[in-house]
Amino acid sequence: AQSVTQLGSHVSVSEGALVLLRCNYSSSVPPYLFWYVQYPNQGLQLLLKYTSAATLVKGINGFEAEFKKSETSFHLTKPSAHMSDAAEYFCAVIPFYNQGGKLIFGQGTELSVKP
Amino acid sequence: EAGVTQFPSHSVIEKGQTVTLRCDPISGHDNLYWYRRVMGKEIKFLLHFVKESKQDESGMPNNRFLAERTGGTYSTLKVQPAELEDSGVYFCASSQVDLNEQFFGPGTRLTVL
Repeated sequence: AQSVTQLGSHVSVSEGALVLLRCNYSSSVPPYLFWYVQYPNQGLQLLLKYTSAATLVKGINGFEAEFKKSETSFHLTKPSAHMSDAAEYFCAVIPFYNQGGKLIFGQGTELSVKP
Repeated sequence: EAGVTQFPSHSVIEKGQTVTLRCDPISGHDNLYWYRRVMGKEIKFLLHFVKESKQDESGMPNNRFLAERTGGTYSTLKVQPAELEDSGVYFCASSQVDLNEQFFGPGTRLTVL
């Protein structure tokens, strides 16, 4: 069965530092890939998605992610962290064989940003 | 445009009681999904409606859970009787097309004592 692994349940960076959140999926056929963010007391919000177009995907708030088929990875990055980036981030996939749109999530990564 | 709304935001009930969660999707969204996050675990899919029909209910834990979407608008998720392991955050999401972005509600935090 398809699974998603996010390395690190908690990541802490300093303001202005690079943000790197890791995501690997388990499939020989690339699925649709998503990153969602959840701010406190809010619902999940889509940051970006990969649907077999460009391998480097740009999202909102300065985030981007690169799809690497050879590494089955879809890591999320942002060059310079801002205090407002503190939130929980979820990597998710829709397997290629599932046309219903059912999302399979990773465990989530809590990002802390230190002043 | 109003987003996905869920009611209640929090619910605390005793084991054995019944609870009904409600989700109002974005108007015009035929696809409605329920997900659940148990503390410390990943968000897991429960089921998917297309309009009023259950498209996929493979994630429903057991027959204590009943989801409905009468008229293809709002949806309810009833847990009867509730057990301790049902505690968690229940999310609802909707989308226009099933492979498009899913818009999530803020969730209902259910605590079963």
